[in-house]
Amino acid sequence: GAGVSQSPSNKVTEKGKDVELRCDPISGHTALYWYRQSLGQGLEFLIYFQGNSAPDKSGLPSDRFSAERTGGSVSTLTIQRTQQEDSAVYLCASSFVGGASSYEQYFGPGTRLTVT
Amino acid sequence: GQQVMQIPQYQHVQEGEDFTTYCNSSTTLSNIQWYKQRPGGHPVFLIQLVKSGEVKKQKRLTFQFGEAKKNSSLHITATQTTDVGTYFCAPVRNTGFQKLVFGTGTRLLVSP
Repeated sequence: GAGVSQSPSNKVTEKGKDVELRCDPISGHTALYWYRQSLGQGLEFLIYFQGNSAPDKSGLPSDRFSAERTGGSVSTLTIQRTQQEDSAVYLCASSFVGGASSYEQYFGPGTRLTVT
Repeated sequence: GQQVMQIPQYQHVQEGEDFTTYCNSSTTLSNIQWYKQRPGGHPVFLIQLVKSGEVKKQKRLTFQFGEAKKNSSLHITATQTTDVGTYFCAPVRNTGFQKLVFGTGTRLLVSP
């Protein structure tokens, strides 16, 4: 595709429900990141996938959060038993790794999650 | 946490004034990137600095990488209302994964 896409764009869920957020990276990009951004705040790193290596999960805030990347492409971020503090915009980014112009991240439009 | 500090956190200037944001790391960096996020938008890549002491310019924006590769700055000359947004540095540390972690960001407001 032309860029990184994310779905859904908006998600409203009740506290305690599970949600799945999807990210389609740019074709050929081997690195994929998930970030969380609360209103007016910075970018909180969640998880990083690079090729076939084990993902860096060091930013996941609790064991309710998990992510997968299937076939080195599409990624799904799952939040179980959602809490109100999970409300935020979840951003996905992908990049090409390797060479002088590597690591520039292309961001998707984000998924705005609201937990009621 | 893993975030890198940027200063100031917020700055409000009159159109035409200059603006500078600083990004400081306690460790030597492999390289550093800068991004801009407009209100309601997502971060967009501006530039990458790789070499010690490197200076790059994009029109009114000047980016600098410190000699020790531990700090960086973004300077905007004669700000315009279109410069409004949050500016993030994103240092790359050579940790094997070359992971990018964003700085805390500097929010810029420009009044006409």
